[in-house]
Amino acid sequence: AQSVAQPEDQVNVAEGNPLTVKCTYSVSGNPYLFWYVQYPNRGLQFLLKYITGDNLVKGSYGFEAEFNKSQTSFHLKKPSALVSDSALYFCAVRDRSGNTPLVFGKGTRLSVIA
Amino acid sequence: NAGVTQTPKFQVLKTGQSMTLQCAQDMNHNSMYWYRQDPGMGLRLIYYSASEGTTDKGEVPNGYNVSRLNKREFSLRLESAAPSQTSVYFCASSEEAGGYTIYFGEGSWLTVV
Repeated sequence: AQSVAQPEDQVNVAEGNPLTVKCTYSVSGNPYLFWYVQYPNRGLQFLLKYITGDNLVKGSYGFEAEFNKSQTSFHLKKPSALVSDSALYFCAVRDRSGNTPLVFGKGTRLSVIA
Repeated sequence: NAGVTQTPKFQVLKTGQSMTLQCAQDMNHNSMYWYRQDPGMGLRLIYYSASEGTTDKGEVPNGYNVSRLNKREFSLRLESAAPSQTSVYFCASSEEAGGYTIYFGEGSWLTVV
């Protein structure tokens, strides 16, 4: 079975400081990994994904994430947070083997304080 | 390019009533999905359709039925609504499964009283 853990329900960071939103995963094989962002009363928007290749993935709005196979992690990072980054962030995973759909974590609410 | 369109956006139902949530995508995607979002639960997959003509149960299918009407449209039906089905419902689509990006609609807020 595949699963995703986002250990922090809430992350608070000051504007201009670096931010990290944590994600760990569990799959039987190798993963496809995704990050999505959700603004209030909106659908989820795709930020970035890891498919293969370079472990550091760059995505929209200056976000990046690093795939770490030994730690089974895919933490989302941004060097300098903006107030407009405040939103709900979801990590998702899919096992490359088999035909199972994407599984989402419970989400982490990011608050960037001016 | 509208992407994934869901209707209705808001609906209030009485317990026992039925309704259908409609979803259409204009990206020529093969796979479509229905998720529900509840506070503290993240997104949970209700049903998905890997390709036209196929549907499969997800994590929380009880109380729901789906129809993949054609390649563009994937509807979700509540036959006898229950208060536990109060949630925000999201339709989504992707070109295929695997590593393809899933694109979401804007959501349908359903309240069952």
